[in-house]
Amino acid sequence: EAQVTQNPRYLITVTGKKLTVTCSQNMNHEYMSWYRQDPGLGLRQIYYSMNVEVTDKGDVPEGYKVSRKEKRNFPLILESPSPNQTSLYFCASSLWGTSSTGELFFGEGSRLTVL
Amino acid sequence: AQKITQTQPGMFVQEKEAVTLDCTYDTSDPSYGLFWYKQPSSGEMIFLIYQGSYDQQNATEGRYSLNFQKARKSANLVISASQLGDSAMYFCAMREGEGTGGFKTIFGAGTRLFVKA
Repeated sequence: EAQVTQNPRYLITVTGKKLTVTCSQNMNHEYMSWYRQDPGLGLRQIYYSMNVEVTDKGDVPEGYKVSRKEKRNFPLILESPSPNQTSLYFCASSLWGTSSTGELFFGEGSRLTVL
Repeated sequence: AQKITQTQPGMFVQEKEAVTLDCTYDTSDPSYGLFWYKQPSSGEMIFLIYQGSYDQQNATEGRYSLNFQKARKSANLVISASQLGDSAMYFCAMREGEGTGGFKTIFGAGTRLFVKA
């Protein structure tokens, strides 16, 4: 089954404790991206990646890191989480190129609470 | 600056009636794509429909159609014959930079649709 898998789905942590949210897709998509969803703000892009070793900042990259060492994986790293990073996080992937509309395939979301 | 605006935080529609969800966008890029996604209460994000900036005709997918007015920079979603299962949050999104290889996608704040029986 084609899917984007995020882990963990739910996490409660404390300020300053490094954490990683993993994201993996099995569709051989070049493009992957991370979003955070907050009430009234919709989804805001954190980072995206066009392919292996190619990443770029979205609109809200502060406090986050990413890496793309393999095509299927795109982990999101919070080096020192703070309460304002409490949010619902989505990983998404898509094909890239003129032959595709490039719609995003989303993971199920990871709800993170930073105390 | 790139921007997506959804001016209706919440809307009600009677079952079996049509409803239009508004979306306006702002971009200086001549090549872009417009999307609508649905988020039911279960939380997953579901792709509904896509419109390319150079597409001459409005996109349609089953009961969904996108009313694309390029000069007005609007991309409204029309849902015909609403069903109870259409109750959800709906997001309009824009992907810029398709001509230059960029892939930044921005979302509006969303419209929550309630379908009444």
